[in-house]
Parts: sequence; structure tokens; C-alpha cells
Amino acid sequence: DIQMTQSPSTLSASVGDRVTITCRASQSISRWLAWYQQKPGKAPKLLIYKASSLESGVPSRFSGSGSGTEFTLTISSLQPDDFATYYCQQYNNYWTFGQGTKVEIK
Amino acid sequence: EVQLVESGGGLVKPGGSLRLSCAASGFTFTNAWMSWVRQAPGKGLEWVGRIKRNTDGGTTDYAAPVKGRFTISRDDSKNTLYLQMDSLKTEDTAVYYCTKGVVGDYYFDYWGQGTLVTVSS
Repeated sequence: DIQMTQSPSTLSASVGDRVTITCRASQSISRWLAWYQQKPGKAPKLLIYKASSLESGVPSRFSGSGSGTEFTLTISSLQPDDFATYYCQQYNNYWTFGQGTKVEIK
Repeated sequence: EVQLVESGGGLVKPGGSLRLSCAASGFTFTNAWMSWVRQAPGKGLEWVGRIKRNTDGGTTDYAAPVKGRFTISRDDSKNTLYLQMDSLKTEDTAVYYCTKGVVGDYYFDYWGQGTLVTVSS
């Protein structure tokens, strides 16, 4: 099984900050990685697929990078609507999620 | 507009059974690989299982914790996905989401709103 590890688990930031979340895979997954945003009581929403492709309708302040075993999600300028929990997901071999990163207000 | 609407959640005793449904609309359901994902209260996301489209054999695969107890099926004539859950355990308590996979790429581009399953005596 492929394990996904996100860091940090919690991140405190202010509006306007640049935020980076890291996701590491236990083995190479090429670029088969997606990022999702989840707000309390809501379903996850797709942000990024294939490591760096921005889903239609997602603001351009979100970007993804990486390949192999190390990936990052960057929010270039944090907005009030971005306070949420973010999950990475590998889909190279079945599907596995990271444990999540909660982005909270500093 | 793509819509996935889950139903069938509720309270069930350990050892009991429950069947969840997911009504799909706004896309060609027969062409989609569909999955169930769950989220225990206050926890992260866990893939439960997947069913391929019938042209790919309609085969199913399951995560280890539910293999042998859960069964995914689909009725393409009704655009509906199902999750039959048997021998339920307290650790199966979660919100269950129906998800649509992207053909040829396999990430999940649409999610339902979820339905809560509580397993408790």
C-alpha cells in the first residue's frame, strides 16, 4: 500500500500570506497526485490534479508542483475563503489520502 | 450540472446491514468509474471501494478494512450507485461520500454531499 504523509498537520497563517503544504508518498507515484479542499460539514472539492493541473474554476492563487515522492500545494496569497483542511491523494495505485492539513487563522 | 446525491444512512447496531444509494445526474453515468470514500467523525478521508464502468468489466475493488463485508454495485438504467454494508462494526461509523472518477485519469472530480452512517448499540 502507498502511504501519504502531509506536513504540517496544522498551519496558522494570516490573510495575504504565502502558504505551502507538503505531501510525501512512500513510493514513487509519478505525477498521479490530486489536492482537495474541505470545509467543515462539506464534501471535499478538487483543486489540483496530475500534480500541477488546476481544476476549472479554481482560483489561480492555488498551484501544485512535484513528482515522484514529493509534492507541494502553494497558496500564493491566502484569502478568507481559503481557511479549510487540505488533503493530498495519490491515484497511482488505487487511492490513498494524506491525513490532512488544517489551515487556520493566525 | 453534475449531481451526486447519497441516501440511506442512519443508525444501525453492530453486526447489522445497511444499503446506501447514490443518484447521479448531469453526466454519462455508464461511462464513469465510481467510488465510495468515507470520513469518520473528526478524521481524514479513506477510500472504501471502486466499481469500473461495464465496458471495463464492471469490476470492483475494496480497501482492506471493508473487503468481504461491503459490496459496491451499479444500475446504469437508473444512474444509481450502491454500497451494501454487512457485518457493520463501530469503526465503520462515518460520513460516506459517493465520488465520480475521471475517465482515463482516475482522480475524483465530483463528490456527493455525503450520508452519515452510525454503528452503535
